[in-house]
Amino acid sequence: EDQVTQSPEALRLQEGESSSLNCSYTVSGLRGLFWYRQDPGKGPEFLFTLYSAGEEKEKERLKATLTKKESFLHITAPKPEDSATYLCAVQAVPGKSTFGDGTTLTVKP
Amino acid sequence: DAGVIQSPRHEVTEMGQEVTLRCKPISGHNSLFWYRQTMMRGLELLIYFNNNVPIDDSGMPEDRFSAKMPNASFSTLKIQPSEPRDSAVYFCASSWTGNQPQHFGDGTRLSIL
Repeated sequence: EDQVTQSPEALRLQEGESSSLNCSYTVSGLRGLFWYRQDPGKGPEFLFTLYSAGEEKEKERLKATLTKKESFLHITAPKPEDSATYLCAVQAVPGKSTFGDGTTLTVKP
Repeated sequence: DAGVIQSPRHEVTEMGQEVTLRCKPISGHNSLFWYRQTMMRGLELLIYFNNNVPIDDSGMPEDRFSAKMPNASFSTLKIQPSEPRDSAVYFCASSWTGNQPQHFGDGTRLSIL
């Protein structure tokens, strides 16, 4: 059974204080790892897809990396508007994504 | 472009009543998903359709839950009879294919009293 563990559960940062979120996974034959952002009262919003170890993707202040056992979401110089819950999901079978419980990020001005 | 549209946004009903949640996927997307999100269990996949055909319904909790996709632009998730433990936020998502990133609606917050 696929498993995804995200850490920490919650992270509080000062504006400008860079940090990383972790997503550890166990899956038989990874087809893709997805990062989503979820704001309160909204559905998850897609950020990145990573397919193979060593791959990196960047978007504004966010950078996602992938190894054979985990993925990191690096946040550089975060702003208050980056506050959200970040979800990681893995997929071994088309259509069947397993989500982690998320990391709730709060960025204080 | 219009995103995934779900209705209603909120539903409050009494135990034993039938509940029907509706979803309009993004036009052109061939895959549709229903999820349930709770504090205890996080985001769980209930059922996955591809080209209007149910491919994997192993996440459907029990026979009280059923989902249909009569055409490419509409899907329903029905709970009959509803129970208090069904209270959750239900999300519909769609994607171009089963292994592409999913686009989520804003969910239906369901409360069963």
